[in-house]
Amino acid sequence: GQQVMQIPQYQHVQEGEDFTTYCNSSTTLSNIQWYKQRPGGHPVFLIQLVKSGEVKKQKRLTFQFGEAKKNSSLHITATQTTDVGTYFCAVNTNAGKSTFGDGTTLTVKP
Amino acid sequence: GAVVSQHPSRVICKSGTSVKIECRSLDFQATTMFWYRQFPKKSLMLMATSNEGSKATYEQGVEKDKFLINHASLTLSTLTVTSAHPEDSSFYICSALRDRGPSETQYFGPGTRLLVL
Repeated sequence: GQQVMQIPQYQHVQEGEDFTTYCNSSTTLSNIQWYKQRPGGHPVFLIQLVKSGEVKKQKRLTFQFGEAKKNSSLHITATQTTDVGTYFCAVNTNAGKSTFGDGTTLTVKP
Repeated sequence: GAVVSQHPSRVICKSGTSVKIECRSLDFQATTMFWYRQFPKKSLMLMATSNEGSKATYEQGVEKDKFLINHASLTLSTLTVTSAHPEDSSFYICSALRDRGPSETQYFGPGTRLLVL
């Protein structure tokens, strides 16, 4: 089935530093979603990217979908302690099912 | 955003008992719901797709007789872990699919932590 590789697995940053997580696929994706899961919580939908080369922003978060629709990234500018959690990318397979990446766990040191 | 509830949020049971977990979409109808399992510090593993009015579709390696799924209405799906054993201890999360099509979005429930003693 369709798989996505997500890197890095862990990222430790000082508060105020930037953070980026990447998702890569060997096949062309129809779309990609990003989720955030706080420690002890459940995944929360952040955004869905559909178009080639698409860039979307949510405050300090910038999401990109590659031109070839095989990779995507989530960038956080000037991290805050509230950004801690695990960020997952997910891709739709058939029948609406999603395959999740392994996630990138972000810790922010105040 | 859309709200999905899950009950119970936490359950501890003895080995050999069965546990039922409910997943409800509170403000939209969901013909499709998904059940995931998540181990500590791991990603979500899709267990099965729950379809309203029809049998669930299980992922490879997931025992359908072990994990019974019933999707009796457009707002409720249940997962029953039958004859639970300690290895079934995990975080079970459901999601409800809203708006099938290009803009479809999954909304996740808060999860159920199952501990089997």
